Amino acid sequence: DVKVTQSSRYLVKRTGEKVFLECVQDMDHENMFWYRQDPGLGLRLIYFSYDVKMKEKGDIPEGYSVSREKKERFSLILESASTNQTSMYLCASSPGLAGGPGANVLTFGAGSRLTVL
Amino acid sequence: AQSVAQPEDQVNVAEGNPLTVKCTYSVSGNPYLFWYVQYPNRGLQFLLKYITGDNLVKGSYGFEAEFNKSQTSFHLKKPSALVSDSALYFCAVRGDSGGYNKLIFGAGTRLAVHP
Repeated sequence: DVKVTQSSRYLVKRTGEKVFLECVQDMDHENMFWYRQDPGLGLRLIYFSYDVKMKEKGDIPEGYSVSREKKERFSLILESASTNQTSMYLCASSPGLAGGPGANVLTFGAGSRLTVL
Repeated sequence: AQSVAQPEDQVNVAEGNPLTVKCTYSVSGNPYLFWYVQYPNRGLQFLLKYITGDNLVKGSYGFEAEFNKSQTSFHLKKPSALVSDSALYFCAVRGDSGGYNKLIFGAGTRLAVHP
């Protein structure tokens, strides 16, 4: 019954490494999101995508990029990892119709906990 | 700008007692309000939402939330808490003017239900 799959649950990387976080959804959702979760700060939106090859910056895009070549896959890229990017990363998806019953009902993956040393 | 405040970092309640997790919001236009829950070592799950209509919204696992426009609040409630309700709860909001389904989340409130 897994609907949003994040490829890695735990990663340990070194400062300066390039990091790829992969996310796949099987619900044919138009919207996909990357959040980071930090204690006391809640969830902060990094990037989102409302269609293939489309992307929009969220609230904290600095140091990150994304790729959406296929509808079901949304990748988060850290070009040069830094210690302040140590965090839990959450991928989510939602239906595209803004006024529909599923609007803003996000389905989340289990998360990827990244540690940058 | 949209914002959400969850004023309590943690809420402690005895099993069988009613619980309330507080949320206030600021948004332009009419609010779309949501509650999500995160159980230990799991991703977030949708609990309930308010878009329009009845101010009392019922959701999963016996939870409900009350929308209060004058107080700009959307508190989560349950009449009788269970130990299994212990989790991290997030309130989220978006306005109805523009944006691509972009939700803003609060910092989260940890609910601890004691036997």
